[in-house]
Parts: sequence; structure tokens; C-alpha cells
Amino acid sequence: SYELTQPPSVSVSPGLTASISCSGDELVDKFISWYQQRPGQSPLLVMYRNTRRPSGIPGRFSGSNSGGTATLTISETQAMDEADYYCQAWDSGAVVFGGGTKLTVL
Amino acid sequence: EVQLMESGGGLVQPGGSLRLSCAASGFTFSSYWMHWVRQAPGKGLVWVSRVNSDGSNTLYADSVKGRLTISRDNAKKTLYLQMNSLRTEDTAMYYCGRETCTDGHCYFQHWGQGTLVTVSS
Repeated sequence: SYELTQPPSVSVSPGLTASISCSGDELVDKFISWYQQRPGQSPLLVMYRNTRRPSGIPGRFSGSNSGGTATLTISETQAMDEADYYCQAWDSGAVVFGGGTKLTVL
Repeated sequence: EVQLMESGGGLVQPGGSLRLSCAASGFTFSSYWMHWVRQAPGKGLVWVSRVNSDGSNTLYADSVKGRLTISRDNAKKTLYLQMNSLRTEDTAMYYCGRETCTDGHCYFQHWGQGTLVTVSS
């Protein structure tokens, strides 16, 4: 079955840039979505179709997908960005989530 | 405003059954494919199942195939997940999600708040 691999944790200092990676076979041929999940809350879509931000998501969030790795980048990171982040793709009609990355804002 | 509200979770013994519901409002329910996603305590998101807009086509994760059944009642604007032969590893928060598609890509812009299923003796 298809798998997406994320680092378990990423740390960043406030005001700096955080990058969260997501890798998988032939990922360049897929569109990736990203979800933010704060403790006790439902997931929130923060990026879709690799690079598109939903309405209401700050411009500090950006996405890319090239060279077999999708990346969610958060610039000028704030304390409120501390959360778990999941990448998501499709494989033969089924949904696949990455294992998630805990972003810590130190 | 799009709203999804799950219900039906609770404590059940191994081998038991439970039916989850997801009541939808704020959009034309019958036009959208719907999904169930679960999250075990302290773990990541795991896709469970999806149903197409008229309920005629379903797909399941291998781990739940033959035990969990997704369905929908478009007249009642409600999504269901019938859970049979439950195992301790089915313990999780269960979320329903609405699939939205744009320019050839589909994603989950709307999620419910989740309902907790605990399988334990």
C-alpha cells in the first residue's frame, strides 16, 4: 500500500521559518494536501493542490511539491502554529495520510 | 455555514457493534462524497472509508474491510458507519469529512468534531 513519510517532529524558534517534509513514491505525480491539528481539535485544511491556501489561512503558509518531496513551509512562525501537521494524498481512490509531524515553536 | 456533527460513539466490548452518524447541514449533502477518518489516542489520522454522492459506491481501508460499513441517507442528510466485530484496535476518535474537489484535486475542507469509540472489556 502507498505510504507517505513525515519527520515525527520539527522545532523552530518564533519568527523563523519552519519546513515540514512529506515523501513518497512518485509524489511528483500526485497533488498533496496539508492539515493542521491542534490538541483536542479537528483537522484544519491549510494547503491543497500542493500550493493553494484555503481562504482564511495566513499567507505565512506555503507549499511545494518537487523532486519526490512535498513541503509545507511556515514563515515567521508564531506560537499559534504549534500543532501536528499531516500531509495527504490519493492512491487508487483511497486516501493516504502521512504519519504526522509535531511542530514545536520554542 | 457547513456543519458536520458526529454522534453514536461510546464504550463497547470487543466483538460488539456500534453505529456512528454524521449529520450534515449548510450544503447540498447529496452532491458530495463523504468519508470517515479515525485517530487512535495519541496517534495520527487514518482513513477508514468513503461513499460516493448517491451511496452506490464505497471503498474501505483493508484494516476495516468486512467489519465496517459506510452508508448514507440523503433525505436525512446523514452519513453512517456501521461498526461490527469491533476490536480493541478500533478504539479511536472517528471524524466524518466532506470531500471537496477543485481543478482535478480533492481534499477535506470540512470536518466534524469527532465521536469517540472505545472498545474495551
